[in-house]
Amino acid sequence: GQNIDQPTEMTATEGAIVQINCTYQTSGFNGLFWYQQHAGEAPTFLSYNVLDGLEEKGRFSSFLSRSKGYSYLLLKELQMKDSASYLCAVTNAGKSTFGDGTTLTVKP
Amino acid sequence: DTEVTQTPKHLVMGMTNKKSLKCEQHMGHRAMYWYKQKAKKPPELMFVYSYEKLSINESVPSRFSPECPNSSLLNLHLHALQPEDSALYLCASSQERLSSGANVLTFGAGSRLTVL
Repeated sequence: GQNIDQPTEMTATEGAIVQINCTYQTSGFNGLFWYQQHAGEAPTFLSYNVLDGLEEKGRFSSFLSRSKGYSYLLLKELQMKDSASYLCAVTNAGKSTFGDGTTLTVKP
Repeated sequence: DTEVTQTPKHLVMGMTNKKSLKCEQHMGHRAMYWYKQKAKKPPELMFVYSYEKLSINESVPSRFSPECPNSSLLNLHLHALQPEDSALYLCASSQERLSSGANVLTFGAGSRLTVL
């Protein structure tokens, strides 16, 4: 089975840095993905990790430790438009299982 | 074209109706998915098609019937639904496999279904 945990809500200030953690316990693992979902819209892909380490994509970075079952998404230079739900998803054998998501609120 | 297009955007149907949701992509992706998402919940996988063949059915009730007419199209046929089936239905596609077998999903905007 799959168990994926993320904090429910986080609040941060415009211009700051925020780290959203994700821990997982899964029966198989091909990769860990991060998606962003604004209210009423579809999820959009942000970043993924297959191997341990840090992947950087502009203002977004994602880290993975497979031995610890742990990942985080780092958002730098926060903007108001970054207020959204951030979904951690583990993929195994063609199936992506999503965590419940972290609702991030960015305040001025 | 880097989009997944879903129609209709909104659908209201009675419990005795038969309707269909449609999904189309022209990215050459060979895997297509149906997800169901309730309010404030994550997407839940329903079906996966790989090379136009059904490869995963997550024990979905038979009142939901998927169909993949070709590599660009995915349908979800709906019949005798219940009010609790009201949700956002998301279609997604991906390249069949990246080198590790992990697939980046490209989602459509979704079809919001209300069952009365």
